[in-house]
Amino acid sequence: SAVISQKPSRDICQRGTSLTIQCQVDSQVTMMFWYRQQPGQSLTLIATANQGSEATYESGFVIDKFPISRPNLTFSTLTVSNMSPEDSSIYLCSVVGQTSTDTQYFGPGTRLTVL
Amino acid sequence: AQSVTQLGSHVSVSEGALVLLRCNYSSSVPPYLFWYVQYPNQGLQLLLKYTSAATLVKGINGFEAEFKKSETSFHLTKPSAHMSDAAEYFCAVSDPGTASKLTFGTGTRLQVTL
Repeated sequence: SAVISQKPSRDICQRGTSLTIQCQVDSQVTMMFWYRQQPGQSLTLIATANQGSEATYESGFVIDKFPISRPNLTFSTLTVSNMSPEDSSIYLCSVVGQTSTDTQYFGPGTRLTVL
Repeated sequence: AQSVTQLGSHVSVSEGALVLLRCNYSSSVPPYLFWYVQYPNQGLQLLLKYTSAATLVKGINGFEAEFKKSETSFHLTKPSAHMSDAAEYFCAVSDPGTASKLTFGTGTRLQVTL
């Protein structure tokens, strides 16, 4: 499976600021996703990152709050904008590879704390 | 819409005992099913998956799961628990033939005691 890295691994931010999280894959993948895992909770899909076009957002998530870019087949960013303490979560990217097309593989996550 | 239910948010077993984590799904068609494990402060790691081949699926670290259509279940088992198995386990479901819409259960935290 693909090797997925995320930067930063963790961060502590002040309310009202923005943080951009990077997801890098060591091989080209067909699909990339962003999830949020709130403390003690399961994973919730934020959006599908589409290469060369606007991301597809799930209900309850909007582009102004979570802008996403995917300039190529190995890289994507998620920005958490105008943060509040409620945004404190783990943010994970996942990918579907070109060979194992029925499975999502996850990155290590970015642990965000907003004060 | 698909959904998955994990019975028991916390399960505690003794080292060497059988591990049984329950997962039931709801789907109009036989879905693809997955078990992921999340160790503390880490991302999700795929344990095993069912994608309409053999109903008994063997995964990593000695885990296995059996797809039972009649019971709409995909329970995860391991004959003998090890301390290193302590983690959060998530069952997930997707439409057959695609991994694009993955729905997760609420997770089960496994504790292993001496």
